[in-house]
Amino acid sequence: RKEVEQDPGPFNVPEGATVAFNCTYSNSASQSFFWYRQDCRKEPKLLMSVYSSGNEDGRFTAQLNRASQYISLLIRDSKLSDSATYLCVVNLPIKAGNMLTFGGGTRLMVKP
Amino acid sequence: EAQVTQNPRYLITVTGKKLTVTCSQNMNHEYMSWYRQDPGLGLRQIYYSMNVEVTDKGDVPEGYKVSRKEKRNFPLILESPSPNQTSLYFCASHRLAGTSYNEQFFGPGTRLTVL
Repeated sequence: RKEVEQDPGPFNVPEGATVAFNCTYSNSASQSFFWYRQDCRKEPKLLMSVYSSGNEDGRFTAQLNRASQYISLLIRDSKLSDSATYLCVVNLPIKAGNMLTFGGGTRLMVKP
Repeated sequence: EAQVTQNPRYLITVTGKKLTVTCSQNMNHEYMSWYRQDPGLGLRQIYYSMNVEVTDKGDVPEGYKVSRKEKRNFPLILESPSPNQTSLYFCASHRLAGTSYNEQFFGPGTRLTVL
């Protein structure tokens, strides 16, 4: 089983739609959770950290469910510019250096 | 401007010809990493460094070397590249704050092709 799993998609949605991605992680000791965005052939960039209480940044809402070990990202009112791959990132305390592990990414395509 | 730079951005080489990909950050970050990204496999960590002269293996270190002689630089060395090292490589850095993670900043990537 992969340590961080995501549905690869692609998710094809019309502009204005609401879309949600889930990510599951295997290590219950993980403490740091992030969503990164990666545009085609570009470097990943931090979209938002995920806090235990859930957090919102404009049209983006991230939630953490520790009991079920999953993280979600909700995008409301999708824009064409939201088209990208979204990477779920989790730390692995059991590994030396408290390594960050990346999910394989979920590809989102927003159509006019 | 805070950034991570990598050079070269694109490289085509032949099997066995030693190469070095440079990485430099100007944010005084302690922690630096190298990743490779392959279709269907996502980002995998090759090596990381928690400070000067401190380096350790990530998930896929075979065939790679690194060094950390200065805080800002973290070069990736392929002593004898092989075609299975054809990939997109990213360098990243972030500040260490106890056991908490801060934002990782990534370089623009190096696309390497080994023939």
